[in-house]
Amino acid sequence: NAGVTQTPKFQVLKTGQSMTLQCAQDMNHEYMSWYRQDPGMGLRLIHYSVGAGITDQGEVPNGYNVSRSTTEDFPLRLLSAAPSQTSVYFCASSYGQGRNTIYFGEGSWLTVV
Amino acid sequence: SQQGEEDPQALSIQEGENATMNCSYKTSINNLQWYRQNSGRGLVHLILIRSNEREKHSGRLRVTLDTSKKSSSLLITASRAADTASYFCATALTGGGNKLTFGTGTQLKVEL
Repeated sequence: NAGVTQTPKFQVLKTGQSMTLQCAQDMNHEYMSWYRQDPGMGLRLIHYSVGAGITDQGEVPNGYNVSRSTTEDFPLRLLSAAPSQTSVYFCASSYGQGRNTIYFGEGSWLTVV
Repeated sequence: SQQGEEDPQALSIQEGENATMNCSYKTSINNLQWYRQNSGRGLVHLILIRSNEREKHSGRLRVTLDTSKKSSSLLITASRAADTASYFCATALTGGGNKLTFGTGTQLKVEL
């Protein structure tokens, strides 16, 4: 049981480049989400999905795009990277976030130069 | 601003001592959860306490919830060096759907 798998672990981008952070879970969870973690800010919700084909915005969605074509996968796309998007990104999944344990991936360290 | 605010921001204790961290929040909640994060790693769920519960235990962890004061505390008894990590509270808001809001965390250092 792999849990929540994120790739890549580390990435350096130039301003204006685009990229996709991959996230996959093998627990058949319907709820998946992406957070970013910045020093002194805790975790902030970027986008989330309550099931395949359904996505919604979180607290800080600007500059990011998501899709949920399957239950297992929830990729996060940076459309045109900016230095303000330098952060650690975490993907998470659960059986309905508000009432159950959330399982986190190990994180993706992104630097935009 | 953050729904959950942890206090203190940093805590340093000796092995064997107890560590207490507090979390305050602003609006009505469905439940409150505590997570641990080791340096460079993802978050690990520790315990969930529902709004109609006042105290829960899990091993060396004790969590209390006071909805009248909108606060929670996490007590780690007989701390070990391996407990060194950041600890976050997260709240699921009443009527807030399935979203959790995380606090800024308490950095705990347990020294030998």
